[in-house]
Amino acid sequence: DQQVKQNSPSLSVQEGRISILNCDYTNSMFDYFLWYKKYPAEGPTFLISISSIKDKNEDGRFTVFLNKSAKHLSLHIVPSQPGDSAVYFCAASGNTGKLIFGQGTTLQVKP
Amino acid sequence: GAGVSQSPSNKVTEKGKDVELRCDPISGHTALYWYRQRLGQGLEFLIYFQGNSAPDKSGLPSDRFSAERTGESVSTLTIQRTQQEDSAVYLCASTDLGTGGLGYTFGSGTRLTVV
Repeated sequence: DQQVKQNSPSLSVQEGRISILNCDYTNSMFDYFLWYKKYPAEGPTFLISISSIKDKNEDGRFTVFLNKSAKHLSLHIVPSQPGDSAVYFCAASGNTGKLIFGQGTTLQVKP
Repeated sequence: GAGVSQSPSNKVTEKGKDVELRCDPISGHTALYWYRQRLGQGLEFLIYFQGNSAPDKSGLPSDRFSAERTGESVSTLTIQRTQQEDSAVYLCASTDLGTGGLGYTFGSGTRLTVV
C-alpha cells in the first residue's frame, strides 16, 4: 500500500529552466509534507516543507505547492542548476510522528 | 555530535550471518528512525523510537530484524540470519520533535551487501 507516490522515476531539464517534481498521496490524515534531496552515497537532506493549512511555501529557488483536494503536491525549482541534479523524495506525515516517503524522482539538469 | 553518524559505512556479509548496524543521533534529538532503501526503490520505514515510549516497530519486515536504543542516544539495528533480499542501504535519522518540526537529519547510511 503505497501511501505516497512519485510516479515519474526521472526528469531531465535544461539549465535555467523550471523543474517540476510531482507527488501524490492517498491518506487524508497527512498534515505535513516535506521534500528531501539525496546525492549518491549520502543521506537525504531536508529541502523544504509545507503544512496542510497552506497551499504554497517558497524558499529561494524552491517552491512547494499543495493541492489538498487533489491530494497532490509539487516542487518547483527555478531556475534549475546542474548542482540540483539529485534524487528528490517527497514525504508525508500525520499524527504518527513518522514520515512516509515516496519512491523518489531522479532529476538531471543539463548544462 | 554535529550530525548523525552511522557505522559501518559498508558491510559485506555472507548469507545466514548476523549483522549489527549502529547509529549515533544528534545529541538531544528525542526521536530516532531507521529506514532502508533497496536498489531502485524508495525509503522504507523500519522502526521509530521516541523518548521513553514503546518503539513503533510496524515497519520491520520480519522477526529477523530488531533494534534497540539506549535512552536518547545510540541505536543498533540487528539483522539475524541475513538473506540476499536484506541487501540495501540502511539509513538512520533523528529529529527533535519537541521543536515542532519534522525535518529529519539523516546519516550517510550503511550499505549492506549479503552474498
